[in-house]
Amino acid sequence: VQLVESGGGLVKPGGSLRLSCAASGFSFSSYSMNWVRQAPGKGLEWVSSISSSSGDIYNADSVKGRFTISRDNAKNSLFLQMESLRVEDTAVYYCAKQIGGSSGFDYWGQGTLVTVSP
Amino acid sequence: SYELTQPPSVSVAPGQTASISCGGTNIGRKSVHWYQQKPGQAPILVVYDDGDRPSGIPQRFSGSNSGNTATLTISRVEVGDEADYYCQVWDSTSGHRVFGTGTKVSVL
Repeated sequence: VQLVESGGGLVKPGGSLRLSCAASGFSFSSYSMNWVRQAPGKGLEWVSSISSSSGDIYNADSVKGRFTISRDNAKNSLFLQMESLRVEDTAVYYCAKQIGGSSGFDYWGQGTLVTVSP
Repeated sequence: SYELTQPPSVSVAPGQTASISCGGTNIGRKSVHWYQQKPGQAPILVVYDDGDRPSGIPQRFSGSNSGNTATLTISRVEVGDEADYYCQVWDSTSGHRVFGTGTKVSVL
């Protein structure tokens, strides 16, 4: 199993960014996927989740209305579209595979850094 | 929103046992997962569904969950166990996943 995030970078407040996560080594279309972030020196914060068929989507209150999770099962890819970015969105963003039949995350990518700064 | 509370730090001598608590209202009714994170690295799942271990995780790592507290126990602690540990649950009311505040384990 391999999860590789990309798309991070430096952006100004109010800007947008699209993160991608390329998955391999497992049947991507069969599992729910998640985004989790970690601000510098802080703990883990769950951001968003999407079911295998995209039928169920949940977002943390801190990003609701600004971030949109999506997936392309044909391309084994997970996405996070981030709009109206704030300084407090600065973090390493991880994609994480959910265990089948459980709500735990058994595989994580190495993360991509998003920096929101004037 | 559902909250999980962990002690900020736990110190333990090599060879001893470390216990990390995770408090939440009626957490015993939820499935609890535990992650280990070392500096500069992505988290690793060490216990899922209260007490199951993924392949490759030593039997020294075990979990329990009852009432308002879940516990991760690390037996025969090694220097390599020094890391931050996080608990996590799924809040069925909101559909949200929730992480605990995190505990730094120091091996003296």
